[in-house]
Amino acid sequence: QAGLTQPPSVSKGLRQTATLTCTGNSNNVGNQGATWLQQHQGHPPKLLSYRNNNRPSGISERLSASRSGNTASLTITGLQPEDEADYYCSAWDSSLSAWVFGGGTKLTVL
Amino acid sequence: EVQLVESGGGLVQPGGSLRLSCAASGFTFSSYEMNWVRQAPGKGLEWVSYISSSGSTIHYADSVKGRFTISRDNVKNSLYLQMNSLRAEDTAVYYCAREVNWGLGDGAFDIWGQGTMVTVSS
Repeated sequence: QAGLTQPPSVSKGLRQTATLTCTGNSNNVGNQGATWLQQHQGHPPKLLSYRNNNRPSGISERLSASRSGNTASLTITGLQPEDEADYYCSAWDSSLSAWVFGGGTKLTVL
Repeated sequence: EVQLVESGGGLVQPGGSLRLSCAASGFTFSSYEMNWVRQAPGKGLEWVSYISSSGSTIHYADSVKGRFTISRDNVKNSLYLQMNSLRAEDTAVYYCAREVNWGLGDGAFDIWGQGTMVTVSS
């Protein structure tokens, strides 16, 4: 099952803004949008954003998500050391009847 | 506290079988769809299987179709994954994940367990 496409790595400086992208097709991201997950080393993933730009309780307002066509984006402003993690996007693929994930982006905060 | 706790992982030989369990607590288990997601060492997340709240609808990734079986017991608040004909490439941490859902294809994995490690090796 084809997955979503994410850049393997992004590096930004402290207090800068990082934008992570996730590209799919009209059957997944372009259909219902994407969700975003954060995973720190040795820990399970944590939901950051769903339904394109809704944040679960407790998730920082520095995070915002959006979608344009078949590409979803997660923007993190005012980068902090704790933002350094792996970020995954996911979406339901209506043609595959399957959830698909991106390969993940490792965000480094310099 | 909303919680998912996986168990049943371990070392198994190629071709062998293993049954994973996921115990849910702190929420009405029978109201939620559930999934299994795995992560091979040093790799990304891979969705494995989905089961509806009643258990009537099930989906599998192509990589496990015909070998893995997902099931649930809403009385015991538990999710299961029966894994047969295991291969080296099935080696991974297996997570159970609760799916909050607003309609077909409009959902998210909002609660994750800590995972259980499955190693397939001779």
